[in-house]
Amino acid sequence: EPEVTQTPSHQVTQMGQEVILRCVPISNHLYFYWYRQILGQKVEFLVSFYNNEISEKSEIFDDQFSVERPDGSNFTLKIRSTKLEDSAMYFCASRERLLNEKLFFGSGTQLSVL
Amino acid sequence: DQQVKQNSPSLSVQEGRISILNCDYTNSMFDYFLWYKKYPAEGPTFLISISSIKDKNEDGRFTVFLNKSAKHLSLHIVPSQPGDSAVYFCAASRNYGGSQGNLIFGKGTKLSVKP
Repeated sequence: EPEVTQTPSHQVTQMGQEVILRCVPISNHLYFYWYRQILGQKVEFLVSFYNNEISEKSEIFDDQFSVERPDGSNFTLKIRSTKLEDSAMYFCASRERLLNEKLFFGSGTQLSVL
Repeated sequence: DQQVKQNSPSLSVQEGRISILNCDYTNSMFDYFLWYKKYPAEGPTFLISISSIKDKNEDGRFTVFLNKSAKHLSLHIVPSQPGDSAVYFCAASRNYGGSQGNLIFGKGTKLSVKP
């Protein structure tokens, strides 16, 4: 079965540094998402992306966050100046079309901000 | 604002018995409900879903029941197997009316199936 691929699996960074989390969604999918899960808490929506633009974002997704689809396959999440509270597991997800309810998730990138 | 609530953080069941995981929601605009299973160090994996126009959906050992009037859904696993041990997330979305179908997750229930 096709899958969403995320790299790296673990990322350790110093507070204030920029990080880029990378994702390769499933090839025929059109809708892309980033979610995160802080340890012990629920999976939270960050942002959705369609047709090369952000379609919806949560309160968490402030000016420090940005997303990009630089080419036909990659989908990236950038955090400009990381904070301690950004430490979490970040999941990329994709969906074939809007009315297909199933989101496919990647295995996540564990971000640790020191 | 917890729109999707899973009030039991954990559940322990004997192999072969039924596991029942519960979920409540507050937003009556949700029109799709999904269950995801998550193993440690992996992403959530889709398990089963139900549209708001149905009250039951079955897939093998997994059945999801939806009670719209009570804003409650449940996942039944029967018979439970040790490999079912994982964290189960209930999620809801609004796929119509201009929404982008973003999933709102509950906090999860950790299921342990004892051999």
